[in-house]
Amino acid sequence: KAGVTQTPRYLIKTRGQQVTLSCSPISGHRSVSWYQQTPGQGLQFLFEYFSETQRNKGNFPGRFSGRQFSNSRSEMNVSTLELGDSALYLCASSRGGGMNTEAFFGQGTRLTVV
Amino acid sequence: GESVGLHLPTLSVQEGDNSIINCAYSNSASDYFIWYKQESGKGPQFIIDIRSNMDKRQGQRVTVLLNKTVKHLSLQIAATQPGDSAVYFCAENGVTGGGNKLTFGTGTQLKVEL
Repeated sequence: KAGVTQTPRYLIKTRGQQVTLSCSPISGHRSVSWYQQTPGQGLQFLFEYFSETQRNKGNFPGRFSGRQFSNSRSEMNVSTLELGDSALYLCASSRGGGMNTEAFFGQGTRLTVV
Repeated sequence: GESVGLHLPTLSVQEGDNSIINCAYSNSASDYFIWYKQESGKGPQFIIDIRSNMDKRQGQRVTVLLNKTVKHLSLQIAATQPGDSAVYFCAENGVTGGGNKLTFGTGTQLKVEL
């Protein structure tokens, strides 16, 4: 069974640009959530999508957005990039219905903003 | 500018000894908790989970203890091996009903000495 797949693995962008990251969840998982990991702030929750709808949201500015497709794949977009957006962006998938169950993470996308 | 990283507590153990990693959580309403292991350059790897209606759960070489009275979690690793060297995070899920909104602790660096 394939794990959570994130693409691309590495990205370098310039301040002011925008970026789109992709996440394919484990087959059968309907929940995809996104996290930002930095040395200064640790792991922080961005948002969660379930059945193509944003179900939970963290405390990030509106420049961070996402969406989920009917096949449960998800994309995350960051507009008007700032130097402080440099981070490892992780997505996690879980079954998502009924009771809380384990969330499995991908390898992450390392974003560097210069 | 230079970012200041989180100061990770470090636990050094001898190979073959047992390790105990501790974590305090903040939300008394949380009912689901997960321990993750993260190796350098990789995403967090699921180790074991526990629901709030339990106080102990065992896996292969790992045991998680939950003390709801003092909002404390611990992860015990038996017969620690060099491959156990990593950063360990506890996470609490702040939502119910299958949602995924994890709040992570700052992490503990486990170093296994030969």
